[in-house]
Amino acid sequence: QVHLVQSGAEVKKPGASVKVSCKASGYTFTSYYVHWVRQAPGQGLEWMGMINPTGGSTTYLQKFQGRVTMTRDASTSTLFLDLTSLKSEDTAVYYCARERIVGGTLDYWGQGTLVTVSS
Amino acid sequence: EIVLTQSPGTLSLSPGERATLSCRASQSVSRNLLTWYQQKPGQAPRVVIYGASSRATGIPDRFSGSGSGTDFTLTISRLEPEDFAVYYCQQFGSTPRTFGGGTKVEFK
Repeated sequence: QVHLVQSGAEVKKPGASVKVSCKASGYTFTSYYVHWVRQAPGQGLEWMGMINPTGGSTTYLQKFQGRVTMTRDASTSTLFLDLTSLKSEDTAVYYCARERIVGGTLDYWGQGTLVTVSS
Repeated sequence: EIVLTQSPGTLSLSPGERATLSCRASQSVSRNLLTWYQQKPGQAPRVVIYGASSRATGIPDRFSGSGSGTDFTLTISRLEPEDFAVYYCQQFGSTPRTFGGGTKVEFK
């Protein structure tokens, strides 16, 4: 059974950094891309980027370039999202999600991690 | 970047009625790699339709997807109470993998 279990809620001050983790289980970790998606309160979904767990290659949405880093630890089947220079507009629920091999879709999602940025 | 525009923003309907949701792309979506998700409050999104017209596992057959190129439609033939939610489209034809702004299906 596939599971993506994310780390708990975080409260950060503006200018700080946050690291969210996503532990995968129930499937071959290196066989599926993982994406990160965020959702600000009351707003829609925003795609942030994706990582290939095999080699660690990444693709980021341009607006996050320079502030975001997606990494993985294959030994523990865990993905990480690092976001720096936080602003109040980064307050959101952050999701990790697995990309289905065929058909192009995000078939399994983590439960979400609320990151609150407030002074 | 492909921009996905969903309409209407809100659909007010009653159980048993038909819902028709639109997702229009600013350029053609390669291989019609268009997914529809359903999201309920406090929950992660769930795949309803992928590849424009394939139902995901466990999704009832009252849900159907159609379209190609730049115009896609999600149809719910007869709304059940559990179908009232927000629906998003996402394209996997190119990077970035953009989402539409969502359509809320609410009780009339």
